[in-house]
Amino acid sequence: DIQMTQSPPTLSASVGDRVTITCRASQGISNYVGWFQQKPGRAPKSLIYATSILQSGVPSKFSGSGYGTNFSLTISSLQPEDSATYYCQHYHSYPHSFGQGTKLEIK
Amino acid sequence: EVQLVQSGAEVKKPGESLEISCKGFGDTFKNQWIGWVRQMPGKGLEWMGIIYFRDYDTRYSPSFEGHVTISGDRSIATAYLQWKSLKASDTAIYYCARAPEGMGSTPRPFDVWGQGTMVTVSS
Repeated sequence: DIQMTQSPPTLSASVGDRVTITCRASQGISNYVGWFQQKPGRAPKSLIYATSILQSGVPSKFSGSGYGTNFSLTISSLQPEDSATYYCQHYHSYPHSFGQGTKLEIK
Repeated sequence: EVQLVQSGAEVKKPGESLEISCKGFGDTFKNQWIGWVRQMPGKGLEWMGIIYFRDYDTRYSPSFEGHVTISGDRSIATAYLQWKSLKASDTAIYYCARAPEGMGSTPRPFDVWGQGTMVTVSS
């Protein structure tokens, strides 16, 4: 099975900052990565698929990049509503495992 | 707009059986995949498995295979997650989510999520 390792586990940033969350796959997975946002008590929300393609309705402040084993999610112009836990997921082969999550706090 | 509506919260005893459901509105599921994701209290997301509604092809994570059964009924756009014998460690929120058909009919990442079903297993 392919493992997805996210870092950092937690992240604190200020309003207006730009942050980057990284995800490393245990083996090459081409560009088969998605990213999700989950706020406390809510269902996850889909942000990105195929490494860098925004899901419908997702603002352009979210962007993704990477290929092979190293991937990243960048969030620019942070706002209080961006406070959430972010997860990466691969869909290269079964099972389509998630990373452990990165909790983003807005100071 | 597609919506996934899940069945309500359940409280069960260890050893009991359970089936929870996920119904699609605004979509027939015909060429879609529907997956299930577990979230234990205070923990992250775990991919459990997925079913393809074109031919009911079903894939499981090794962590869940043999303990749960994923099924579906295309005629009523509904997916199911079933346990024959629950354990206390099954206490979690379970989400269903839609994965659009990608290249080679394989699933892309989830794009629409249900609201979640809380399952509590306690004696």
